[in-house]
Amino acid sequence: GEDVEQSLFLSVREGDSSVINCTYTDSSSTYLYWYKQEPGAGLQLLTYIFSNMDMKQDQRLTVLLNKKDKHLSLRIADTQTGDSAIYFCAVRGSNYQLIWGAGSKLIIKP
Amino acid sequence: DTGVSQDPRHKITKRGQNVTFRCDPISEHNRLYWYRQTLGQGPEFLTYFQNEAQLEKSRLLSDRFSAERPKGSFSTLEIQRTEQGDSAMYLCASSPADTQYFGPGTRLTVL
Repeated sequence: GEDVEQSLFLSVREGDSSVINCTYTDSSSTYLYWYKQEPGAGLQLLTYIFSNMDMKQDQRLTVLLNKKDKHLSLRIADTQTGDSAIYFCAVRGSNYQLIWGAGSKLIIKP
Repeated sequence: DTGVSQDPRHKITKRGQNVTFRCDPISEHNRLYWYRQTLGQGPEFLTYFQNEAQLEKSRLLSDRFSAERPKGSFSTLEIQRTEQGDSAMYLCASSPADTQYFGPGTRLTVL
């Protein structure tokens, strides 16, 4: 079946760039998403990319898609303490449902 | 636009009881999804509506689970004869097309 994998933890210093990586198995995925989840809060859609694109930039966020390797990454420039959260990669499967990774916890060091 | 709302936010119940959760989507979003999330995991798809039609149910959804969206607006998810393994966060999302917007979730604890 379809699978999405992410590294579980990432630790960066405040002001540095964070890069969160994701791999997926379903080559027919048309949309790929990044969501942010803060403690006690719901899932916030950060950005998404269509499969015919290889890059999308939105303010401090840059999404890179390598469709050949089925690899998606999210880069957060100038990481701030407010960026501490769990980041989920999700890909759209059949019937528009989302298939999710287990989440990557971003820890910010002062 | 007030976003997706879910009620209740927390529910504690005893094993064997029935529970019902409600989701109010963003108005005019025709698609509505239910997911379940356990600690340390990403959400798992449960079921999906387009307007009032339930178009897909996950194999995860046992016959104790039922969902409705009677008028194509709000939706309810009912769990009958709850089991301890049903303890999780139940998430609702609505979608106009290619993006899904999530509510805050209902946290269910089955004792």
